[in-house]
Amino acid sequence: ETGVTQTPRHLVMGMTNKKSLKCEQHLGHNAMYWYKQSAKKPLELMFVYNFKEQTENNSVPSRFSPECPNSSHLFLHLHTLQPEDSALYLCASSPGASQPQHFGDGTRLSIL
Amino acid sequence: GIQVEQSPPDLILQEGANSTLRCNFSDSVNNLQWFHQNPWGQLINLFYIPSGTKQNGRLSATTVATERYSLLYISSSQTTDSGVYFCAVGGSGGSNYKLTFGKGTLLTVNP
Repeated sequence: ETGVTQTPRHLVMGMTNKKSLKCEQHLGHNAMYWYKQSAKKPLELMFVYNFKEQTENNSVPSRFSPECPNSSHLFLHLHTLQPEDSALYLCASSPGASQPQHFGDGTRLSIL
Repeated sequence: GIQVEQSPPDLILQEGANSTLRCNFSDSVNNLQWFHQNPWGQLINLFYIPSGTKQNGRLSATTVATERYSLLYISSSQTTDSGVYFCAVGGSGGSNYKLTFGKGTLLTVNP
């Protein structure tokens, strides 16, 4: 139990579907992150939120839309995804900048 | 941006052996973490170690920030140590939130 919970654990969707990934942290942290891990590639940072404000968008396509309603919850809304978006999506949280990041178990996403 | 190189890319050990994994980085850092990713994809924190030495059971890590490298030591390896070990760094310039990950070391421990 890492204190960061992601749902669902697995998701299969068509390219025209709309779905959302959810992340919740129980660590009292202020910063939350979305990362993408594709096969044969290092983990890539997608978005960072600190105190609900987006502080980083790592040139992510607009078909990925993050939402952070409070410091404990983070969503990633997905629409019209492409097959190359199939990957493991990991959420993380940290107390603040330059502090250790704690990861959830990930959502394994497959685009048909 | 900051570059992170891990070596070796693959490592096969017999149970009980010791090993050293290396992480080189290209710039000064405010954050350095070692992670273990198990076969189910879970990414487990091992160490937060931007400098100095830490030990946790059979694992220890050392970061020499002035020389821009970190080492992860695994002693008396067990089959449950198998998986991918990642080094991730946060640079001291620019974004203080971003972690840049290396490509990892795939460790296989055979019984």
